Amino acid sequence: AQKITQTQPGMFVQEKEAVTLDCTYDTSDQSYGLFWYKQPSSGEMIFLIYQGSYDEQNATEGRYSLNFQKARKSANLVISASQLGDSAMYFCAMREIHTGGFKTIFGAGTRLFVKA
Amino acid sequence: DAGVIQSPRHEVTEMGQEVTLRCKPISGHDYLFWYRQTMMRGLELLIYFNNNVPIDDSGMPEDRFSAKMPNASFSTLKIQPSEPRDSAVYFCASSPGTGSHEQYFGPGTRLTVT
Repeated sequence: AQKITQTQPGMFVQEKEAVTLDCTYDTSDQSYGLFWYKQPSSGEMIFLIYQGSYDEQNATEGRYSLNFQKARKSANLVISASQLGDSAMYFCAMREIHTGGFKTIFGAGTRLFVKA
Repeated sequence: DAGVIQSPRHEVTEMGQEVTLRCKPISGHDYLFWYRQTMMRGLELLIYFNNNVPIDDSGMPEDRFSAKMPNASFSTLKIQPSEPRDSAVYFCASSPGTGSHEQYFGPGTRLTVT
């Protein structure tokens, strides 16, 4: 079974608008971590934001926020005030702390295009 | 502090040849990961180390692949013999093993096997 599902292969957003990238996950582990990474066209993977399964508040990092809905097993990334430099691939990832150790599983990614 | 360093950045080799990819993690990071990224399979974890010891190598595709970490500042991923289906971008990443355990990725090595 796929552990991380990103259903949007590609997304378009107008510059300065907000955009939500979807991510759902599947785990039976009670303790897990959720991550978002950005991969620009240059190829490097950049860590954006982290949410722990026991964190009651949604994580925020600058223009990035993670909309964590535990009961629905979703961890959507919200980018506010999109910039042209946000055009990239975005990967959702999960680490199952008890069952997976430090193994991190990545989704297939969503390619975001920011239009001027 | 320098980030994760990988070499070479690009490698083109012929089928059957041995390929060695190198990685220097961020100083002080206890965990090191090797990933492979392809269009078809996405980003796959091959192996990871904790304090230079391999912990999980279940993602290593077959015996042609091997990885070592002789010390805290150096790791290699070797493919012998290489095959065209090994063509991919190989990433090394390191993690401090504390806090949120986010991983810091190197720039990757683009391997082409002809």
